[in-house]
Amino acid sequence: GQNIDQPTEMTATEGAIVQINCTYQTSGFNGLFWYQQHAGEAPTFLSYNVLDGLEEKGRFSSFLSRSKGYSYLLLKELQMKDSASYLCAVKDTGKLIFGQGTTLQVKP
Amino acid sequence: DAEITQSPRHKITETGRQVTLACHQTWNHNNMFWYRQDLGHGLRLIHYSYGVQDTNKGEVSDGYSVSRSNTEDLPLTLESAASSQTSVYFCASSEGTSGRMDEQFFGPGTRLTVL
Repeated sequence: GQNIDQPTEMTATEGAIVQINCTYQTSGFNGLFWYQQHAGEAPTFLSYNVLDGLEEKGRFSSFLSRSKGYSYLLLKELQMKDSASYLCAVKDTGKLIFGQGTTLQVKP
Repeated sequence: DAEITQSPRHKITETGRQVTLACHQTWNHNNMFWYRQDLGHGLRLIHYSYGVQDTNKGEVSDGYSVSRSNTEDLPLTLESAASSQTSVYFCASSEGTSGRMDEQFFGPGTRLTVL
């Protein structure tokens, strides 16, 4: 079966660091994507990992451990505009399987 | 600039009616996807296509159909709308089937209400 787990909600303070975890059990694995989705809008691409390790892109970093079926998205220097849902998606044989998403609320 | 568009953006229909949601992309992408998004379920794949004349069923395909007659368009049809199909529908496209080329670009979404 296919299973991708993320926390439903998280709250953090402006300027802080937050880590959003994603665990997966899928029949195949060809990479992991993170998307950001603001309320009422379409998801937009944040990061892609296919090999173990950390990928850094500005304030956002994403980590992957294939042996553990685990990824996290790290957001640094949080800003109010980072309040959004963050979707973890595993690529399996050409299509993406999405988790339920984590809604992050950034407070002043 | 290349883009992906959906129409209509909002639709209210009645149970039993046939409804078609349009998706048009100018990226010249081979791959196109339809998802529905509901609270507590995230994005669930309905149908997808890897090229003209190719269509495949996704996780929640019952009650939906698609056809791909050209590269740019993948319309989604609800044969007989049901209240359970009230949802937000997203269309997406991607360039390839390997690595970063799998990045999917999403349309703005269609909010469908079935009364």
